[in-house]
Amino acid sequence: DGGITQSPKYLFRKEGQNVTLSCEQNLNHDAMYWYRQDPGQGLRLIYYSQIVNDFQKGDIAEGYSVSREKKESFPLTVTSAQKNPTAFYLCASMRDAEVGTQYFGPGTRLTVL
Amino acid sequence: AQSVAQPEDQVNVAEGNPLTVKCTYSVSGNPYLFWYVQYPNRGLQFLLKYITGDNLVKGSYGFEAEFNKSQTSFHLKKPSALVSDSALYFCAVRDVDKLIFGTGTRLQVFP
Repeated sequence: DGGITQSPKYLFRKEGQNVTLSCEQNLNHDAMYWYRQDPGQGLRLIYYSQIVNDFQKGDIAEGYSVSREKKESFPLTVTSAQKNPTAFYLCASMRDAEVGTQYFGPGTRLTVL
Repeated sequence: AQSVAQPEDQVNVAEGNPLTVKCTYSVSGNPYLFWYVQYPNRGLQFLLKYITGDNLVKGSYGFEAEFNKSQTSFHLKKPSALVSDSALYFCAVRDVDKLIFGTGTRLQVFP
């Protein structure tokens, strides 16, 4: 899992609550990504950021928000507007020069009770 | 739009036998293709990539992949499977500044 950390490993949320998932990298990578993984659906891109203070929506951004105030950090907030948030969330980073090789964190499993 | 397809949800192989995990792609322009592996409850790990050059790409843990432009395929292969190779394998293609992943193929290697 390289130099990317995600916390917590497991997270439980009550319906109607917002929760924030942490992602930190010490690889000095410019780009960072958030994916959602559900059984049988592979990885779906939520948000990504190429530089500090800038980010783009992925394929399933509704109900999620992000910030990129520091190069090392890219937290993801799952809001109460996300109707089906139970999933495995993966953060990744990439150095531009490596033309697409992404380094993944260990993931956070979110369960809505 | 760029896309990849993994036609098999699961591949079963006996230990010691060769294995193949299939991937086909659809791209405009030259494809940048990748294989990643995921062990249970872990993040993905990079295995190998094809950018240009030799059609046979060698990667980590003895895996290799063959790029075939006429068949638009990028199959992952290993000459002799190990039980420890059992995992979820993802093919991916670069789309400008992000990766598009396939749905994954679960490889099960039996002793």
